Amino acid sequence: DAGVTQSPTHLIKTRGQHVTLRCSPISGHKSVSWYQQVLGQGPQFIFQYYEKEERGRGNFPDRFSARQFPNYSSELNVNALLLGDSALYLCASSLGPGGGTEAFFGQGTRLTVV
Amino acid sequence: GESVGLHLPTLSVQEGDNSIINCAYSNSASDYFIWYKQESGKGPQFIIDIRSNMDKRQGQRVTVLLNKTVKHLSLQIAATQPGDSAVYFCAENGAGNAGNMLTFGGGTRLMVKP
Repeated sequence: DAGVTQSPTHLIKTRGQHVTLRCSPISGHKSVSWYQQVLGQGPQFIFQYYEKEERGRGNFPDRFSARQFPNYSSELNVNALLLGDSALYLCASSLGPGGGTEAFFGQGTRLTVV
Repeated sequence: GESVGLHLPTLSVQEGDNSIINCAYSNSASDYFIWYKQESGKGPQFIIDIRSNMDKRQGQRVTVLLNKTVKHLSLQIAATQPGDSAVYFCAENGAGNAGNMLTFGGGTRLMVKP
């Protein structure tokens, strides 16, 4: 069985541009979350989606948005990129939104903003 | 805000010795804790979890201890191997949070000397 897959694996963008990152959860998982991991730090929660609805949002500006599709895959969009948006963006999937549900992470998308 | 943190940023151990990685958390409402292992260039990998109604849980070569009185979590790795070298994160999911809305600590780098 495939794990959580993310694309692209690496991406270089210029300040002010827009980026879209994609995630496919494990088959059967209906919940997807997005995390930002700056080099040398732990992942920071951005969004959680379950059954196409936003269930949680971290402390990130409105430049960050996401959505979940009927097949449970998800996109993370970031507008007006800043140098500080350079990070590893991780997607995690789980069966459902409930507490104590094991989350499985993808390999991440390494975004570099120049 | 409430956060999960770690005492030691780097831990160096001899191959075959036992390793202990510590973590302090501040959210007394946290009811689910997870340890993740992250190797360079990869996403976090689930190691072991524990719920707040337990104080100890064992897996294969790993044990997690939870002390709710002092809000402390530890990961013990028996007979540490070179393949255990990685960054280890503790994460918590507070009561009422979405399932994979996790709060991560800053990470401890484990280095195993041959």
